[in-house]
Amino acid sequence: DGGITQSPKYLFRKEGQNVTLSCEQNLNHDAMYWYRQDPGQGLRLIYYSQIVNDFQKGDIAEGYSVSREKKESFPLTVTSAQKNPTAFYLCASRPPGTGSYNEQFFGPGTRLTVL
Amino acid sequence: GNSVTQMEGPVTLSEEAFLTINCTYTATGYPSLFWYVQYPGEGLQLLLKATKADDKGSNKGFEATYRKETTSFHLEKGSVQVSDSAVYFCALSGRAIQGAQKLVFGQGTRLTINP
Repeated sequence: DGGITQSPKYLFRKEGQNVTLSCEQNLNHDAMYWYRQDPGQGLRLIYYSQIVNDFQKGDIAEGYSVSREKKESFPLTVTSAQKNPTAFYLCASRPPGTGSYNEQFFGPGTRLTVL
Repeated sequence: GNSVTQMEGPVTLSEEAFLTINCTYTATGYPSLFWYVQYPGEGLQLLLKATKADDKGSNKGFEATYRKETTSFHLEKGSVQVSDSAVYFCALSGRAIQGAQKLVFGQGTRLTINP
């Protein structure tokens, strides 16, 4: 079955620690995305990547970093510089093409809690 | 810039009631429009989409029509079930020009259906 996997489902971090969230897809999609979701709010884009070894900042990139060394993988690191990291993090990917018609496919999410 | 506005929730209905969740948008060009659904603790799933004006997207009894004249994409269902309880997100995407296609989300509408 093709899809997107995120691990872990729940993650706890102490203040001042960096933590990395995993995102893997076997859909052969080029573009991948990271979103943050806070209660009662829509999704906000953190980073996105069109191809391997390339990524761009989204609307709320401060305190986060990413890498894209393989097509299948797009890990997100939440650094100690992120002031309010407790949130639900969603990874997504999209089939190739520059048209607007292709939807994004989402993983199950990782809930990060800072203690 | 592009934006999406959804009716505020939460929305609570009885089983078999008629559902409407309003969504209006602001965009340049000819965006595609999407409705995503999120069940508790999960990622987003595409519910339906429409890629040009007057298109009607439909799935699982839900429908939405892309109305360019009113810049709207309201979600409707004739008879809701308890299993439809979830958060619904309206989203739009424009054509990717210099970067990967980005989705712009509304803030989400929480729907609860009582038996």
